[in-house]
Amino acid sequence: QLQLQESGPGLVKPSETLSLTCTVSGGSISSKSYYWGWIRQTPGKGLEWIGTIYYSGTTYYNPSLKSRVTISVDTSKNQFSLRLSSVTAADSAVYFCVRRDYYDSRNGMDVWGQGTTVTVSS
Amino acid sequence: DIQLTQSPSFLSASVGDRVTITCRASQGISSSLAWYQQKPGKAPKLLINAASTLQGGVPSRFSGSGSGTGFTLTISSLQPEDFAAYYCQQLYSYPLTFGQGTKLEIK
Repeated sequence: QLQLQESGPGLVKPSETLSLTCTVSGGSISSKSYYWGWIRQTPGKGLEWIGTIYYSGTTYYNPSLKSRVTISVDTSKNQFSLRLSSVTAADSAVYFCVRRDYYDSRNGMDVWGQGTTVTVSS
Repeated sequence: DIQLTQSPSFLSASVGDRVTITCRASQGISSSLAWYQQKPGKAPKLLINAASTLQGGVPSRFSGSGSGTGFTLTISSLQPEDFAAYYCQQLYSYPLTFGQGTKLEIK
């Protein structure tokens, strides 16, 4: 079945850019049936939706992060990526990549990566 | 942004109990609500779509109901593996938002 796997540095310095990649296996990121996205979780703020991308490149971002976030897709590698610039300690979190149904907007995120912990510290 | 408020935040119950968790939205979201279960150190698991549709493979003791601004997740007879955190999420409009969570503990 389809699996998602996050990868990237676990430690990022303040003011630098956090970069994570999600590799899709067992299915195609070019499927017209799904959105792909990122969610993060902290003990203080709980679960926070970061953004979503469709295989065509159409993106939706959380306004609270929009000025710092870029989500992109690489169909040739079956991957999508997150870049978050000018990070602070508040961006320390567990980051999850997720899949969501494109055709029924009432459906939630049905596939999640295992999550990767990112700490922002000098 | 649409705010989701879950209650209670903590719930203590015993195996075999029937429990209900409530999620209230700050504005109407039709039936665009999902429920998740999360165990420590794991990713959330999708339980319910569209407020009341059970995701494939989820036991039938889980059920969801509601529309508009009020929603409930019910577990009809708690099993040991059900002790976890539960979250609601609205999918009605961007930004997608989550409730703060309900931690279900063993009494």
